[in-house]
Amino acid sequence: GAVVSQHPSRVICKSGTSVKIECRSLDFQATTMFWYRQFPKQSLMLMATSNEGSKATYEQGVEKDKFLINHASLTLSTLTVTSAHPEDSSFYICSAWMNTEAFFGQGTRLTVV
Amino acid sequence: SQQGEEDPQALSIQEGENATMNCSYKTSINNLQWYRQNSGRGLVHLILIRSNEREKHSGRLRVTLDTSKKSSSLLITASRAADTASYFCATDRTGTASKLTFGTGTRLQVTL
Repeated sequence: GAVVSQHPSRVICKSGTSVKIECRSLDFQATTMFWYRQFPKQSLMLMATSNEGSKATYEQGVEKDKFLINHASLTLSTLTVTSAHPEDSSFYICSAWMNTEAFFGQGTRLTVV
Repeated sequence: SQQGEEDPQALSIQEGENATMNCSYKTSINNLQWYRQNSGRGLVHLILIRSNEREKHSGRLRVTLDTSKKSSSLLITASRAADTASYFCATDRTGTASKLTFGTGTRLQVTL
């Protein structure tokens, strides 16, 4: 089946630094990818829709300058958390659709210290 | 918020018993999907039910959908310890590369 690969699976960074998370569709092309955030013991909340070749669409309340999304190819979207703060510590998950099914990456556990 | 609600929030059963989780949503949908998430991991797709379907089976899973009540249920029969995970329902409105709206999730614990 289709696979979405996310990297890294776990990252620890210092406050004020930036972290890049990659999301790749391994055996299919995805013009659209989605980035979700999940806080401990909570559900997934959509952050933004990543569109290949154009600007991302952000959900209300998500700072576009803080969460930079680049979808430069049909198989890769990146999320960069800029000037990270401890409150950005969370689990970030990407997804992409193939036909009528959404496939999810393994997630990235970000800890900002 | 368009997020759906799931109940119970947490469920603890013994191996062999059945587990039922319910999901309610707020808007019209194209389809509803159930996902499983092991602690700290990504999501695994379990089953998709379309808005014109009322019931679907896959192995030990049975999903129902009542669009008039905007609700769905997931039944896991003959549960196993390995079924311990969080289960989420997710809805989409267009069915094609659209954003999913997730329910609040049910944490299932299956004990030996």
